[in-house]
Amino acid sequence: EPEVTQTPSHQVTQMGQEVILRCVPISNHLYFYWYRQILGQKVEFLVSFYNNEISEKSEIFDDQFSVERPDGSNFTLKIRSTKLEDSAMYFCASSGSSGRSYEQYFGPGTRLTVT
Amino acid sequence: GQSLEQPSEVTAVEGAIVQINCTYQTSGFYGLSWYQQHDGGAPTFLSYNALDGLEETGRFSSFLSRSDSYGYLLLQELQMKDSASYFCAVRDSGAGSYQLTFGKGTKLSVIP
Repeated sequence: EPEVTQTPSHQVTQMGQEVILRCVPISNHLYFYWYRQILGQKVEFLVSFYNNEISEKSEIFDDQFSVERPDGSNFTLKIRSTKLEDSAMYFCASSGSSGRSYEQYFGPGTRLTVT
Repeated sequence: GQSLEQPSEVTAVEGAIVQINCTYQTSGFYGLSWYQQHDGGAPTFLSYNALDGLEETGRFSSFLSRSDSYGYLLLQELQMKDSASYFCAVRDSGAGSYQLTFGKGTKLSVIP
C-alpha cells in the first residue's frame, strides 16, 4: 500500500540553526500539507501546497518557514532560524484530489528538538 | 475561526461500545472527519461525514448533524488495540481551502 515517508525521523538542532524536513508524498497525490503537533497537544495546520504553490497557510507559518517541491517526488519544509518553541512533531500529509481532501494520508513524522 | 470540542479522555471495557462526541463552531463547514492516532504514531483517517446521518465502516461508525454542529464516532466491539487518541477535524468550505482543523483529541483507554 502506498505511504507517505518522512526523513529524518528525529532531528536535533540548536536554536538559530536552519533545518530542512523532507517528505515523499504518495506518488499520484496532488495536494500536500505540513502539520505540527507539540507533545500532548492537537495537530495544527501549517501549510497546504498544490500545483507548485502555496494554497493556504496558517498564522504559525511565518517568514521563518518555507516549503518547496524541488523535484517530482520530494516536498520539503524549511525553518530558517529555529526557536525553542519550534520543538514539535512535524507531519507531512498528502491527498489525491480536492474533493477528497478530508482524507489525508500522514507520514510517520519528524520529531524536531531545538536546544 | 474554527473551534472543536471533544472529551479529553474516555475509558471503556473490551468488547463494549463507546461514543466520542465532537461539537464544532466554524465560520464555514464542508465536512467532519475522524482520525486515529496511536502514541508516537501518525494520524490515520477513519471516517468522514459531509451530510447528516450515519456512515458505517466495519466496527467504526460516524454520525453528523449539521443543524446541531455535532458529530460522534462510535466504536463497537472494542479491542485493546483501539486504545489511541481520536481526533475530529473539520474542513472549511472556503474555495481552495483544503486544510483540516483538528480538535484536541480524545484519549481512549480500553481496559480488559
